[in-house]
Order: sequence, then structure tokens, then C-alpha cells
Amino acid sequence: EIVMTQSPATLSVSPGERATLSCRASQSVSSNLAWYQQKPGQAPRLLIYGASTRATGIPARFSGSGSGTEFTLTISSLQSEDFAVYYCQQYNNWPQTFGQGTKLEIK
Amino acid sequence: QVQLVQSGAEVKKPGASVKVSCKASGYTFTSYDINWVRQATGQGLEWMGWMNPNSGNTGYAQKFQGRVTMTRNTSISTAYMELSSLRSEDTAVYYCARGKLGDSSSWYYFDYWGQGTLVTVSS
Repeated sequence: EIVMTQSPATLSVSPGERATLSCRASQSVSSNLAWYQQKPGQAPRLLIYGASTRATGIPARFSGSGSGTEFTLTISSLQSEDFAVYYCQQYNNWPQTFGQGTKLEIK
Repeated sequence: QVQLVQSGAEVKKPGASVKVSCKASGYTFTSYDINWVRQATGQGLEWMGWMNPNSGNTGYAQKFQGRVTMTRNTSISTAYMELSSLRSEDTAVYYCARGKLGDSSSWYYFDYWGQGTLVTVSS
């Protein structure tokens, strides 16, 4: 199965600053990559699919890029509600697999 | 609006089975596959399998083959996930999620999620 590796495990950023989260696949997943946000006690929420398409209702400060094995989620100006855990997921190959997550915390 | 509402928390003994339900509303239940994903406390997300509510066809991750069964009742727009031979390592929050097929893929990303059901396995 494809292994998804996210870095860093924890990212400390100040509100208003930019955050850049990385996700690497063990083999090419084309652009079949999604990003999710999860807050404590809540279900994951879809942010990005197709590596770069924002899901319905997702603010423009969230953007995704990359293809093949290297992907990036960028949050351009962090708001208080953005501090959470972020997961990437590949859906190019069976079984679908998730990264281990990046915790975005307030600096 | 699309909603997936899951059944409540369960406590089970090792070796028992658990059945979690997921009631869909706000869309045509038979038009989208339902997937199940679990998350142990403080851990990441683990995909378990999918079910096509229209046909009843299923596909399970190898790790759960032989222990998991996914079914549905289309008359009440509800999907079910049953996990048997429970062990302590199965203690987790179980989520149902609506699957969307990728434009260039035969597999799913997940656009709507249930609220989660905590299953605790303890003697």
C-alpha cells in the first residue's frame, strides 16, 4: 500500500502568518490527493481534493498544490479557527491511505 | 443539507461484536458509496472499507477481511458496519463518510462525515 508521510509532525505558527504543510507519497498518486482538517472531538472536514480544488465553503486562504509524490497545503494568513490537525489522503490506489497528520499549533 | 448521523457510543467485551449505524439525509442515499474510517485515541485515520448502497457490493481493507461486514437498509437510508471478534486494539472512534470518486481515480475521497461513534473494548 502507498505510505503517506506528512511533515512536520507539529508546526508552530503565529496568527496572521503563513503555514506550509507537506505530504509525500511513497509512489505517484497523480493528483488524487485530498486534505482534511480535524479539530478536537470533531470529525474530519474536507478542505481540498484533486490536490488543488477547494471543497465547498472552504475559504480562499486554503490552497493546495503538487502532483505525483509531493504535495503542499498552504494557509495564507492563519486565523484562530485554523489551529487543528491536518491530514492528507491518497485515493489513487487501493487501499486509500492517510498521512499521520500535522498538528498546527499557535506560536 | 447532507447529514450522516451515527448511533451512540458502545462498550463491548473482548470477543464480542459491535454494529454501528449511519443514517443519511439530504441526498439520494443510493447515489454515493458509504465508507468507514476509524481513529484510535490520539492516532491517525484508518480506512476500513466501502459499501455501495444501491447494489450492496462491498470492499474491505485487508486488515479487516473476515471481521467486518457492511450492510444497508435503503428503506431508511441507513448504512451499518459490524465488527466482530473485538479486541482492545479495536477501541476507537468509527466514522462513516460519503465517498466521492476522483475525476481520474476509481477510489474515494470523503466529502461528508458522520459525527463518529466511540467503541470501547474492555473486559
